[in-house]
Amino acid sequence: GAGVSQSPRYKVAKRGQDVALRCDPISGHVSLFWYQQALGQGPEFLTYFQNEAQLDKSGLPSDRFFAERPEGSVSTLKIQRTQQEDSAVYLCASSLGSGDGYTFGSGTRLTVV
Amino acid sequence: QKEVEQNSGPLSVPEGAIASLNCTYSDRGSQSFFWYRQYSGKSPELIMSIYSNGDKEDGRFTAQLNKASQYVSLLIRDSQPSDSATYLCAVKDTGGFKTIFGAGTRLFVKA
Repeated sequence: GAGVSQSPRYKVAKRGQDVALRCDPISGHVSLFWYQQALGQGPEFLTYFQNEAQLDKSGLPSDRFFAERPEGSVSTLKIQRTQQEDSAVYLCASSLGSGDGYTFGSGTRLTVV
Repeated sequence: QKEVEQNSGPLSVPEGAIASLNCTYSDRGSQSFFWYRQYSGKSPELIMSIYSNGDKEDGRFTAQLNKASQYVSLLIRDSQPSDSATYLCAVKDTGGFKTIFGAGTRLFVKA
């Protein structure tokens, strides 16, 4: 596609609920990143995929967070048993290579109540 | 813990002036540097990348890099009210695949 597409745009979850966030990167972009952005802060790295391989998941804050990109295109970030501290904007970005600048999606704003 | 530091601002400049945004980073081996613009409620947008010491110009924007001082800056000439946004400095991590972002500097351009 022309840009990085994320859905849903907004998600309200009750504490303890599982959520799934979707990212459709730019066609042909090998690299896909997930970031978390809290209000007033810069994006914080969560995980990186090169095609379908998850090469770095060092930023995932707990084992409740899981990401996949099974066919090397669309990626899903799943958060199990959501907690209030998970409330943030989740940004997906893609690039041709891992060292290139990113194109970000519009983000998913997650609010856990 | 590798860091990217920015003055949070706000930086306020009059329309038509030069806005100067600064950033320092801790990873001495870093080779790739980026500036992103983020409007309120929107996602970051890449505006400049720089890889070599010196200046790189693109329209009204100039990025400056000094690797010896571990310092990156962004100059915006002829600032416009539409430039009012948060500017994020970002540095590619040499130890992995990720890019590390600063917390951003808020810029206000007064008409």
